[in-house]
Amino acid sequence: DAGITQSPRHKVTETGTPVTLRCHQTENHRYMYWYRQDPGHGLRLIHYSYGVKDTDKGEVSDGYSVSRSKTEDFLLTLESATSSQTSVYFCAISETQGSGEKLFFGSGTQLSVL
Amino acid sequence: SQQGEEDPQALSIQEGENATMNCSYKTSINNLQWYRQNSGRGLVHLILIRSNEREKHSGRLRVTLDTSKKSSSLLITASRAADTASYFCATDVRGSNYKLTFGKGTLLTVNP
Repeated sequence: DAGITQSPRHKVTETGTPVTLRCHQTENHRYMYWYRQDPGHGLRLIHYSYGVKDTDKGEVSDGYSVSRSKTEDFLLTLESATSSQTSVYFCAISETQGSGEKLFFGSGTQLSVL
Repeated sequence: SQQGEEDPQALSIQEGENATMNCSYKTSINNLQWYRQNSGRGLVHLILIRSNEREKHSGRLRVTLDTSKKSSSLLITASRAADTASYFCATDVRGSNYKLTFGKGTLLTVNP
């Protein structure tokens, strides 16, 4: 798992509540990513970070925010969870963001919004 | 629509047989990567092929890339039950600032 820890591993919450998922890495890598995985859609990029306090949006960023106050932690927040955000969320890291860089993934967080 | 699309969506074979999965994409790429995902786990990088390469090998894996057809194939030879997993192609699209775009995956089942 390349030193990546996602927490929690499973969460059930109610519509309208805020939710924060945490990704922690021990590799001191600069680049961190949040993806969601849904049946029929594969993996889609939500947000990514290229350094402390430096973040940018991915293709499905609406309804999500992120923060990175330390190199090792990348937080994904659902301000007001909706049922459409029920998904498996994966954090990934890479050492650089050049061509040919591969990603290392965490084990995922299964989120259910009821 | 997806940049990368794997085909078939599902594949079931017997142990010892070869498994071939295909990936088609729409726009020019810098490289194409293949990942494996075991049930309930994160993705694991398998192999990368650059846009100026046509074929790469890694152990029992063989990847080809045809940029004129915008397609790639992943061949797993002499498959084992442990190869049962979902396989995803991911493209590094030119101009995307090196962000990978993943396909929907092929579910491979290798029966003992």
